[in-house]
Amino acid sequence: EAGVTQFPSHSVIEKGQTVTLRCDPISGHDNLYWYRRVMGKEIKFLLHFVKESKQDESGMPNNRFLAERTGGTYSTLKVQPAELEDSGVYFCASSQPPTSGGWVDTQYFGPGTRLTVL
Amino acid sequence: KQEVTQIPAALSVPEGENLVLNCSFTDSAIYNLQWFRQDPGKGLTSLLLIQSSQREQTSGRLNASLDKSSGRSTLYIAASQPGDSATYLCAVRDSNYQLIWGAGTKLIIKP
Repeated sequence: EAGVTQFPSHSVIEKGQTVTLRCDPISGHDNLYWYRRVMGKEIKFLLHFVKESKQDESGMPNNRFLAERTGGTYSTLKVQPAELEDSGVYFCASSQPPTSGGWVDTQYFGPGTRLTVL
Repeated sequence: KQEVTQIPAALSVPEGENLVLNCSFTDSAIYNLQWFRQDPGKGLTSLLLIQSSQREQTSGRLNASLDKSSGRSTLYIAASQPGDSATYLCAVRDSNYQLIWGAGTKLIIKP
């Protein structure tokens, strides 16, 4: 079974440009999460999709970030316009809600996209 | 506001030694705590998940403990091997169901 994949693995852009990151979750996983790790700091939650709906987007830093998940399959995260402080590694994770109804969902993470804004 | 701290930030030990990684969190109202491993250029792999009602979990040479009241967790690695070299991350599921992460401990096992 294929894991979570992310594209590209690395992106280098200049300040003011636009970049779109893509995440393909494990097939059949309804939950999709985006996280970001800025260099030297801890990973931070960005947002959570359940199928195509945004369940929680409280971690999105500002309106330069736009996440979509049309059709409830893959997701894109667009940064427009990119700023220097957006540099970091963007992780995507997916999961299925546990059948027991509790919060023991195991999130499977992709390899991340390293974004460098010059 | 939940904060997660990992100590030490980096650790280098000779192969074969047992070692302990520490994780502390400020708010005991958590649903669970997870330990992850990250290898360079790869994703995050979940190692152990401890529910808030549990005290410990074991998987092979790994043992994770949880003391929710004191806000502490430890990851014990027995008989360390060079393949254990990676960054180890601790994360708690807080009262808003979000994962709150520590900054990680970079572990190097010297052959």
